[in-house]
Amino acid sequence: DAGITQSPRHKVTETGTPVTLRCHQTENHRYMYWYRQDPGHGLRLIHYSYGVKDTDKGEVSDGYSVSRSKTEDFLLTLESATSSQTSVYFCAISERLARDNEQFFGPGTRLTVL
Amino acid sequence: AQTVTQSQPEMSVQEAETVTLSCTYDTSESDYYLFWYKQPPSRQMILVIRQEAYKQQNATENRFSVNFQKAAKSFSLKISDSQLGDAAMYFCAYRSENNNDMRFGAGTRLTVKP
Repeated sequence: DAGITQSPRHKVTETGTPVTLRCHQTENHRYMYWYRQDPGHGLRLIHYSYGVKDTDKGEVSDGYSVSRSKTEDFLLTLESATSSQTSVYFCAISERLARDNEQFFGPGTRLTVL
Repeated sequence: AQTVTQSQPEMSVQEAETVTLSCTYDTSESDYYLFWYKQPPSRQMILVIRQEAYKQQNATENRFSVNFQKAAKSFSLKISDSQLGDAAMYFCAYRSENNNDMRFGAGTRLTVKP
């Protein structure tokens, strides 16, 4: 299994509070991704990173920001959480930016915003 | 934008029998990759099989095979000799020519009956 951990694994928070989710990898892969998974939608890309301090937006980036100060860590921040951000969040990594290159996924974080 | 459609929210199969999960996609690109991921109750996303669009030969991985129909934009997954451990959510995914965009279908929940 690829060495990807996510923390926390579960979180319950209130509307309006800031939340940061962490993805940590031990594979030294260049590319990292944040997805959210919702019933009826599958996984949707929030943001991705193609190197330290290099990030870009995905399909559903509104309300989220990311940072990557080290190769191994990719942080996802909800500045002011809303109930619509209740979801399961997955981090993924890939070694190369090639179409065939497999993305390896972390175990997911279940976030509930009350 | 590319879209991926899985028209079967739920499927069931008897142990040892064969089941086919459907996936269609919409794209104007000529070169891309298609994937099937399995998500068991543990939530871990596991790559099952991948297909390169420029290859006419259907991909096969042990009991898993695909029927790739490029003109019809169809990418179905066949599971032969179904096992109890195959029970999971299955996601079809499309990876774009621009490499950063991976689109997932809504998923099909497969139940395997003993």
